[in-house]
Amino acid sequence: EVLLVESGGGLVKPGGSLRLSCVASGFTFDDAWMHWVRQAPGKGLEWVGLIRRKADGEDTDYSAPVKGRFSISRDDSKNILYLQMNRLKSEDTGVYYCSTLNHMDPWGQGTLVTVSS
Amino acid sequence: QAVVTQEPSLTVSPGGTVTLTCGSSTGAVTSGHYPYWLQQKPGQVPKTLIYDTSNKDSSTPARFSGSLLGGKAALTLSGAQAEDEADYYCLLFYSGSRVFGGGTKLTVL
Repeated sequence: EVLLVESGGGLVKPGGSLRLSCVASGFTFDDAWMHWVRQAPGKGLEWVGLIRRKADGEDTDYSAPVKGRFSISRDDSKNILYLQMNRLKSEDTGVYYCSTLNHMDPWGQGTLVTVSS
Repeated sequence: QAVVTQEPSLTVSPGGTVTLTCGSSTGAVTSGHYPYWLQQKPGQVPKTLIYDTSNKDSSTPARFSGSLLGGKAALTLSGAQAEDEADYYCLLFYSGSRVFGGGTKLTVL
């Protein structure tokens, strides 16, 4: 069974940085395209970005609001997905989920990021 | 970046039928957008109900079905129950990105 566990969230000042992690199990991680999705308090879901599998070049794509500030990477030897977030803004506040966005796979519980002075 | 549109809110009577729709700013929604429908109840993690337009597994109640309707993706709930009150999000695949709709708040009343 797919299991995703996010961590690394917390309180950070505007302009600061944070790295989120997502430990994956229950599926062939190195064969999966992986995504980050976020949800601001009381708002809808927002796709953040994706990283392709190594066989597809580990290429990444990002949504316009985070492009140039966020970076997704993966460590297939440890089954871990990362989200490096730089130059954080207050509007980046929310719960961050990792997901395969593949068929009926479940999502993780998410990790809360709060950007505030 | 494409914009995906959903009805902000809908109300259905218990036992009634309601259709939620999902449109794209780039034109008609097709099977090539691999439409997904997710349900999120207050305080819970989103859960996929439908993938690739109309596919689901045994965890999705049979009263939920997905389709393409009039250039949009559609989620039909037939025989609504109180437990179906939730936020519903559609997700469309575009080359190089994914885009969620703004969500539909469904009230069963």
